[in-house]
Amino acid sequence: NAGVTQTPKFRILKIGQSMTLQCAQDMNHNYMYWYRQDPGMGLKLIYYSVGAGITDKGEVPNGYNVSRSTTEDFPLRLELAAPSQTSVYFCASSYYPVGQGRSGANVLTFGAGSRLTVL
Amino acid sequence: TQLLEQSPQFLSIQEGENLTVYCNSSSVFSSLQWYRQEPGEGPVLLVTVVTGGEVKKLKRLTFQFGDARKDSSLHITAAQPGDTGLYLCAGAEGGANNLFFGTGTRLTVIP
Repeated sequence: NAGVTQTPKFRILKIGQSMTLQCAQDMNHNYMYWYRQDPGMGLKLIYYSVGAGITDKGEVPNGYNVSRSTTEDFPLRLELAAPSQTSVYFCASSYYPVGQGRSGANVLTFGAGSRLTVL
Repeated sequence: TQLLEQSPQFLSIQEGENLTVYCNSSSVFSSLQWYRQEPGEGPVLLVTVVTGGEVKKLKRLTFQFGDARKDSSLHITAAQPGDTGLYLCAGAEGGANNLFFGTGTRLTVIP
């Protein structure tokens, strides 16, 4: 019962380098999300997807790209890393939209996070 | 951007004490969730509250959603070292695809 799996757990990048954070879920969830967590700032939504082939921007999408070719996978790409992208990144998934009231299926299941440092 | 402010930002208490964490916003939410996050892990859901004025109890934890659905509180009775962690509130708008997270309260319970 893996849930949401993120790789890598840690990564150090130089300014201008590119990389992809991988995220996979095995719960057949329709909705997948990428958040970043900065100290004292809470979690901010970068991108989300409501199903395979459909993605949309969140609050802080600049400098990132995503794709959703399958239900299970939702990779996050950083094209030109900048120090401002130093953060902990969390992937999450849910069966229904998180705003869908009382249904237990709107619960977000998070991965363990990927800590990225850009120097 | 929705803003959810949590207070206090840091809290260090002795085992056995009671505490309350607050989550406030000027926005109305259709539901509000509380998560606990431990170092090196993702947040884990504790509770979802939906109705204004709703109170939910989870063992020693009591959650309340404000009447106007703009604020919430988390009360812990007789805190234990296992309660140590980062507590996050998160509000959702009806049918939305995003949760707006609070700034977090880092709780340390000293044995």
